Amino acid sequence: QKEVEQNSGPLSVPEGAIASLNCTYSDRGSQSFFWYRQYSGKSPELIMSIYSNGDKEDGRFTAQLNKASQYVSLLIRDSQPSDSATYLCAAELSGGSYIPTFGRGTSLIVHP
Amino acid sequence: EAQVTQNPRYLITVTGKKLTVTCSQNMNHEYMSWYRQDPGLGLRQIYYSMNVEVTDKGDVPEGYKVSRKEKRNFPLILESPSPNQTSLYFCASSVGLAEITDTQYFGPGTRLTVL
Repeated sequence: QKEVEQNSGPLSVPEGAIASLNCTYSDRGSQSFFWYRQYSGKSPELIMSIYSNGDKEDGRFTAQLNKASQYVSLLIRDSQPSDSATYLCAAELSGGSYIPTFGRGTSLIVHP
Repeated sequence: EAQVTQNPRYLITVTGKKLTVTCSQNMNHEYMSWYRQDPGLGLRQIYYSMNVEVTDKGDVPEGYKVSRKEKRNFPLILESPSPNQTSLYFCASSVGLAEITDTQYFGPGTRLTVL
């Protein structure tokens, strides 16, 4: 069973801190990785995509990929209460399958 | 405004009564897909379509049908709904083969309850 695993949380951080969200995947053939944010009752929205080992930064968000360890993470710097949401990690397993597999999501709470 | 629309947004029905959830996108996207989201199970893909008249099964296709007769529309059909199909359903679309999940836009969701 090809899987994407996330800690369900909740992860609670104070405002202004760095929030670190982690994700592991089982299929070594995975090529594409994504982080989505989903507010309660809303649809997912893409935050970051990453395809190569290393870091990718976009504003306050940094995605990190380590294919050897089969590990993807998302760092949120200067966390704000508006970042409180569920973060979904997704991977396109077996590269080119067109069927993204989502993790169950990590709930993030940023408290003032 | 670029968007994916779904109708209805909320639906309560009874076991066995056929229903259709419509999905439409105005971005001329090639790729469309349907997901269901259940507590503790996350998002799971039901069906996807890479172009008109081209559809394929996702991870959980049992009990569902789809069609893609026009590029903009991708309806989800439940021929004989059962209570285990009670879920939150999302339609999504992407530009095309090279950017399928990178630019995936989700509709607002349809909350379905089957009694």
